[in-house]
Amino acid sequence: QVQLVESGGGVVQPGRSLRLSCVGSGFSFSSYGMHWVRQAPGKGLEWVTLIWYDGSYKYYADSVKGRFTISRDNSKNTLYLQMNSLRAEDTAVYYCAASYGGKQAPDYWGQGTLVTVSS
Amino acid sequence: QSVLTQPPSASGTPGQRVTISCSGSSSNIGSYYVYWYQHLPGAAPKLLIYRNYQRPSGVPDRFSGSTSGTSASLAISGLRSEDEADYYCAAWDDSLSAVVFGGGTKLTVL
Repeated sequence: QVQLVESGGGVVQPGRSLRLSCVGSGFSFSSYGMHWVRQAPGKGLEWVTLIWYDGSYKYYADSVKGRFTISRDNSKNTLYLQMNSLRAEDTAVYYCAASYGGKQAPDYWGQGTLVTVSS
Repeated sequence: QSVLTQPPSASGTPGQRVTISCSGSSSNIGSYYVYWYQHLPGAAPKLLIYRNYQRPSGVPDRFSGSTSGTSASLAISGLRSEDEADYYCAAWDDSLSAVVFGGGTKLTVL
């Protein structure tokens, strides 16, 4: 069955960087658009970024534009999120998610990894 | 403020039918597919409805989705205690070039 497994979360100081990874299995990873979606404590779901199945297009939420970079390695079935200049408000559970098609919401979701930005 | 508007809460008794609304605009619900998710604390969001009304295999037919213009609805019939969760709608928004979510609706089974 479809599995998305995130890793790389942890505690990081404000202004520092962190890289999240997500490994996909059980589906044709290279045919799916891939997203990162986050949920801050006590808040709702917030979409962060999307990368096209072949990496040709990338979209970002205004709240992370210029600080976060999404990328993928289809040969390793792996999605990445490079997070720079982290702020306290970036504290959240980060979910990796997949969608079959371009401009649409996700179909499959991972279990999430917690990122805490604190001094 | 979320781009898609959902009521913050909904409730019903076991066996009842409840409906959760999701209001958007021509740049999102009016032009793109709506998705609905069920989210339990500590778990991954679960896809309930995709492409406005389609149900993934394994999702009971008690759950149904519909759209009309720039609004969408999720209906849950034969309410059960295990349906108590947060529910979110989502769609692509062409003006923002982003996926937009509703603020979420907390469903309580009384």
